[in-house]
Amino acid sequence: AQKITQTQPGMFVQEKEAVTLDCTYDTSDPSYGLFWYKQPSSGEMIFLIYQGSYDQQNATEGRYSLNFQKARKSANLVISASQLGDSAMYFCAMIAGGTSYGKLTFGQGTILTVHP
Amino acid sequence: EAGVAQSPRYKIIEKRQSVAFWCNPISGHATLYWYQQILGQGPKLLIQFQNNGVVDDSQLPKDRFSAERLKGVDSTLKIQPAKLEDSAVYLCASSQNLKETQYFGPGTRLLVL
Repeated sequence: AQKITQTQPGMFVQEKEAVTLDCTYDTSDPSYGLFWYKQPSSGEMIFLIYQGSYDQQNATEGRYSLNFQKARKSANLVISASQLGDSAMYFCAMIAGGTSYGKLTFGQGTILTVHP
Repeated sequence: EAGVAQSPRYKIIEKRQSVAFWCNPISGHATLYWYQQILGQGPKLLIQFQNNGVVDDSQLPKDRFSAERLKGVDSTLKIQPAKLEDSAVYLCASSQNLKETQYFGPGTRLLVL
């Protein structure tokens, strides 16, 4: 079974500063994918970034980067130069290999608040 | 490219009534998912289709929930009869194929009174 743990219920950051949202995962499958999604108050889940278990380099997408530490089973999201529009719920999620058909397993989420 | 469409956006019903949700995935996406998100939690997969076949419905409460994806495109999710604990956001997502990145629709917020 797969498990995602997000230990920070809420995080606060000043506008223009960087923030790290923590995510640890657990799976016995050697092949898996890790995702981060943003969910604003409107409710839609917005895909941010993806990291494959065999990827040699950490994924980056604009202001988002994923700090992937395979030995520690962590996949932290780093948001640089925070903006007020970044205030939202952030979910870490995983798809494992094996017999999984692509079901995303989500963590509990972290609420990020960006202060002006 | 149009995103995943869902309707209605909001629905309020009384317990024991029935309700249906509709989803139109991104054009060309073979895989479609329905997730249930209870307030304060991450989404939980209810059912997953590959084209018009079900590949995973292990967490679907089949005594009251049903879903179909006719012709491998649009999908409907039905609850009959609804219970108070069904109050949640129902999210539809699609991906090009199995294990590809999933793109979500705006969701349907259901309140059961």
